[in-house]
Amino acid sequence: KAGVTQTPRYLIKTRGQQVTLSCSPISGHRSVSWYQQTPGQGLQFLFEYFSETQRNKGNFPGRFSGRQFSNSRSEMNVSTLELGDSALYLCASSRQGALSIQETQYFGPGTRLLVL
Amino acid sequence: GENVEQHPSTLSVQEGDSAVIKCTYSDSASNYFPWYKQELGKGPQLIIDIRSNVGEKKDQRIAVTLNKTAKHFSLHITETQPEDSAVYFCAAIINTNAGKSTFGDGTTLTVKP
Repeated sequence: KAGVTQTPRYLIKTRGQQVTLSCSPISGHRSVSWYQQTPGQGLQFLFEYFSETQRNKGNFPGRFSGRQFSNSRSEMNVSTLELGDSALYLCASSRQGALSIQETQYFGPGTRLLVL
Repeated sequence: GENVEQHPSTLSVQEGDSAVIKCTYSDSASNYFPWYKQELGKGPQLIIDIRSNVGEKKDQRIAVTLNKTAKHFSLHITETQPEDSAVYFCAAIINTNAGKSTFGDGTTLTVKP
């Protein structure tokens, strides 16, 4: 069974640009969560999508947005990039997002974004 | 919201020794506690998890214990090997926040041969 895949793996952008990252969950998984990982802030939750709807949202500005398609693939977009947006962006998938009951969340390898 | 504290931030042990990493959480509604191992250039990989109706779980050299009263849980690695060297993260999930994990800041474990 294929794992979570993320594209691209590496990306270099300049301040003010926008970027779109893609995540394909494990087949059959409908919940996709996005996290930002930086040395200073650790792993921080961005948002979760389930059945094409945003179900949870973290404390990030509106420049960070996402969407989910009918095949459960998800994209996140960051507009007006800032230097501080440089980070590893991870997505994770699970069947229903019912982690506390019986499910497990699986992470992709991440997209490393560098903003110059 | 949930807050997770993880200690120590760095841990160095000799091969064959045991390693223990501890986490505390703030919200008593949390009831799922996974541990992840992250190697350089890779995403976090689940190594063991525990749900709040269980006090201890073991998988070969790895074990996790949970004390709900004290709101803390620990990862125990026995007979450490150099390939155990990585960053380890604990996380806590509140039942009502499906798909959202709150992570500790990570522990960098170094196993010296």
